[in-house]
Formats: sequence, structure tokens, C-alpha cells
Amino acid sequence: GAVVSQHPSRVICKSGTSVKIECRSLDFQATTMFWYRQFPKKSLMLMATSNEGSKATYEQGVEKDKFLINHASLTLSTLTVTSAHPEDSSFYICSARGLANEQFFGPGTRLTVL
Amino acid sequence: EDKVVQSPLSLVVHEGDTVTLNCSYEVTNFRSLLWYKQEKKAPTFLFMLTSSGIEKKSGRLSSILDKKELFSILNITATQTGDSAIYLCAVEEPGTYKYIFGTGTRLKVLA
Repeated sequence: GAVVSQHPSRVICKSGTSVKIECRSLDFQATTMFWYRQFPKKSLMLMATSNEGSKATYEQGVEKDKFLINHASLTLSTLTVTSAHPEDSSFYICSARGLANEQFFGPGTRLTVL
Repeated sequence: EDKVVQSPLSLVVHEGDTVTLNCSYEVTNFRSLLWYKQEKKAPTFLFMLTSSGIEKKSGRLSSILDKKELFSILNITATQTGDSAIYLCAVEEPGTYKYIFGTGTRLKVLA
């Protein structure tokens, strides 16, 4: 149990385009999901908390207009990187909060902006 | 300001060795501490610790929490090359569902 999927696993896009990443909890309902960003050889940096049916809460320094989050159902949250630039290239990982408040991670999405 | 600090930052051992990874934190009144193993992709869940002094065990891995001294350890006995990974600990931020992740310990097990 506690499987979280993420799609796509890898995306390459041109500068200025927008990219949508999906995070799904496959076998449980997740009222709360989290979006992280990870730089090479660094730990996970929390970007935002995604709550089903309400607006996401963003961490300090994360631009909410740049990183749009939508949590439309109990099993799906999406992160859209708008007007992507090369500095947005990174590994984006989502997690879903389990019943005991643990977090189960998706496999991650590697974004490369050319 | 680092609230969760892991040590050592990296470690190289030989197969069969026992390793102890440390996680110290400056967060009080939290509910849980998590340990994860991260290989090439996203972290996989290992343990959730909520109470002091109670060891959690899974095969060759075990972990314990000391809420008074504000640290946790992860032990791996009889290490194998497949244990090579980054081990992350995360402490729950009080009053939220968010976790603060440590810097990780990069473990390499040589054959």
C-alpha cells in the first residue's frame, strides 16, 4: 500500500513554456500532499503544502505565481511550473500524507529547461 | 539555521560492517521523526519514530529516538552493497504536517 505516482518522470522543455507535473496517491486518499525540490547532492526543500479543496500554502521564498499548485481531488495534486527558465531545472518530488502523518514519496520528476 | 543535522555527511564501509547514522535536531514538541533511504530517485520510507526509547526494527535496520537528548540513530548491521544510498531523517514541524529534512548521510558500501 501507500503508493504515490508522479508523471512525467522526466521532461525537457524550452525556456518560456509551462510544464505540468501530476502527483497521484494510488491506493489511499490524501487530503494533504507536499511538493519538494531537490538540487544535486542536497536535501529536500519543501516548496508548498497542497490541501484538497483549498489553496496551497507556500514556503517563504517560493513564488506562488511561478509554481501553481492545484489539489482538485483526494488523489491528485498538480504542480505547474509557469514560464520555465533554466534555473527552474531541478528534481521535483511530491509526497502524500498518510494516516499516521508519515509521508510517502512519488518517484520524482526531473525537469530540464533549455 | 539548520534545525536537523545528520552526521556523518558521508561514510564508506565494507560489506559486513555495522554502521550508525546520527540525526540531531533542534525541534521540540514534535510528534514524529522519519527515516528515509534515497537511491537514484525519490526517498523510500524506512521508519517513523514517535516515542523515546522504543526501537523500531526491520531486518538489518533498526532505529531509536531520544526525545530528551534530541537525537535519533539508524543502525545497519551486516551492510551490503545494496545499502549504498543517502539516508535522510526528517522531523515534524510542531503544529503542522510539514517535515524538516536533514542534510542526509551518503553511505557507500564496498564489496
